[in-house]
Amino acid sequence: DAGVIQSPRHEVTEMGQEVTLRCKPISGHDYLFWYRQTMMRGLELLIYFNNNVPIDDSGMPEDRFSAKMPNASFSTLKIQPSEPRDSAVYFCASSLQGFYGYTFGSGTRLTVV
Amino acid sequence: DAKTTQPPSMDCAEGRAANLPCNHSTISGNEYVYWYRQIHSQGPQYIIHGLKNNETNEMASLIITEDRKSSTLILPHATLRDTAVYYCIVRVGGANSKLTFGKGITLSVRP
Repeated sequence: DAGVIQSPRHEVTEMGQEVTLRCKPISGHDYLFWYRQTMMRGLELLIYFNNNVPIDDSGMPEDRFSAKMPNASFSTLKIQPSEPRDSAVYFCASSLQGFYGYTFGSGTRLTVV
Repeated sequence: DAKTTQPPSMDCAEGRAANLPCNHSTISGNEYVYWYRQIHSQGPQYIIHGLKNNETNEMASLIITEDRKSSTLILPHATLRDTAVYYCIVRVGGANSKLTFGKGITLSVRP
């Protein structure tokens, strides 16, 4: 199993640009999570899906952030427009039934200049 | 979910057991104890979880006190590759409860 696959690994963009982060969960997992990690705030849960349906997006910082899961094997996290304070490492994770251990991807390091 | 308290850091010698403590004095009966770790520049990695019985897997052992107010993660033979931040998390059982990370404890394994 290739694990949770995230792309790109690194992204550098200018303030105001649209950024799209991608995630492929482990096949058969029915839960998908997006986390953000910064030095100041640690690991924060942004949103999670169950069977492709968003369940809780209360962690999404503001309307500039949106996430979709069009099918069981793909999810995107979009930031539009991006701001320097969005610079962070964004992790995607998947889980079977939401209760068992989460498997995290390697993350996308986003830098907004 | 109940809050957890971990010391900020600890170290141990390579080859020795690493015992990582966690306090969760307000834990409820339906809350599980989870441990994850994060090696530098990588995503968090699930280690183990338990409700009230001690648990062991190929990575570690989890010892939960009888009153469930604290637990200890044991890495029986620590290696340099075990140097990481270890997170103790308490969450309600059930699919839709959130996994919320705190600051964790930084374990440094010295040669």
